[in-house]
Amino acid sequence: GESVGLHLPTLSVQEGDNSIINCAYSNSASDYFIWYKQESGKGPQFIIDIRSNMDKRQGQRVTVLLNKTVKHLSLQIAATQPGDSAVYFCAEWYGNAGNMLTFGGGTRLMVKP
Amino acid sequence: DGGITQSPKYLFRKEGQNVTLSCEQNLNHDAMYWYRQDPGQGLRLIYYSQIVNDFQKGDIAEGYSVSREKKESFPLTVTSAQKNPTAFYLCASSIGTGEAFFGQGTRLTVV
Repeated sequence: GESVGLHLPTLSVQEGDNSIINCAYSNSASDYFIWYKQESGKGPQFIIDIRSNMDKRQGQRVTVLLNKTVKHLSLQIAATQPGDSAVYFCAEWYGNAGNMLTFGGGTRLMVKP
Repeated sequence: DGGITQSPKYLFRKEGQNVTLSCEQNLNHDAMYWYRQDPGQGLRLIYYSQIVNDFQKGDIAEGYSVSREKKESFPLTVTSAQKNPTAFYLCASSIGTGEAFFGQGTRLTVV
């Protein structure tokens, strides 16, 4: 079936640099896309979301970009800090499937001091 | 404090036993979800519920069962039919339009 997917990578960045984490999705009917951060042994935490009718949304140090033409979602983290080290997941939500929230495979971000 | 609570944090099961994982939320959310996470992997949807007394199967429902008798509670039973139940189980709730709040998870181990 259709799904959100990440090729799981480990992204290593220097402290202070910007990070970009990517996600490819295949369900063009999704209403929302959401980024979560998961630290080891804990539940995922919401970072930022974007509606399907938007192409960019900014939060504090984070920006999500949505390119519906190529079905691509990205999370940009500015001035990456050691506390940003975690696994990041993108997820998609679509109401037509009964409010189902499905996740991609995740990217591990490692911040080098 | 408002939030979503999973218990227990760690659970050990003997082969052939059923076990039930608890998930309670006081956020007044209609939708609740159960996910399974294997080491180094993403979250796979087991079951979800949009409203009391209603729930739907996710991608990997075989060997699991749920109930939704109260809005606040969405317990997950891992049955003996689940052949490889060792995993990290996450419960979440949402208002139904996107953002979900997660509990801290239950780590289930078969001994």
